[in-house]
Amino acid sequence: DQQVKQNSPSLSVQEGRISILNCDYTNSMFDYFLWYKKYPAEGPTFLISISSIKDKNEDGRFTVFLNKSAKHLSLHIVPSQPGDSAVYFCAARTQTGANNLFFGTGTRLTVIP
Amino acid sequence: NAGVMQNPRHLVRRRGQEARLRCSPMKGHSHVYWYRQLPEEGLKFMVYLQKENIIDESGMPKERFSAEFPKEGPSILRIQQVVRGDSAAYFCASFDFGRLNTEAFFGQGTRLTVV
Repeated sequence: DQQVKQNSPSLSVQEGRISILNCDYTNSMFDYFLWYKKYPAEGPTFLISISSIKDKNEDGRFTVFLNKSAKHLSLHIVPSQPGDSAVYFCAARTQTGANNLFFGTGTRLTVIP
Repeated sequence: NAGVMQNPRHLVRRRGQEARLRCSPMKGHSHVYWYRQLPEEGLKFMVYLQKENIIDESGMPKERFSAEFPKEGPSILRIQQVVRGDSAAYFCASFDFGRLNTEAFFGQGTRLTVV
């Protein structure tokens, strides 16, 4: 039972353009959402997060949007750079109760120079 | 402040042997998650522990796998009688349970190869 879903396994974008990575979730109890970036042979590294009380959080070139009614979030990277090429994982957690952290299956982003 | 430390980075075991994977969380973190990543797949939750307590082990296979996080020392993920299908990257992550809106920090992973 995949509670966090990333339906696009891969995405290719030209350098300088916008990358949009999407994520859907099913558990309405999730109240904290995170994006991680992973390079081959390394552990995931935290990128940006958003609490359910917000609908947008921005950090430099990275912006995360949350649509609670649609149970959908997205990560926008603009402008995209070749160094952004990696696998991006969306994750969600409930901050009360079990506090478990669930991940999507990842989207491999390739930024073409 | 050292990050999450996992060792070994690479582990080769023959079928039927035992594998022990260690994870030392960040200083001050009392909660850890373990995840498994099979080739070309995402991060699959295995177990969530706090010191001396398993909070959620719903992602752990029912047999051969166990995890612990003792009061002193690292968290251990133990796989008995390994099979080829256990070959994967195993990641642990720790976080500060006392803080809201905080991320989990990952180690570099242990790559287990069963031959």
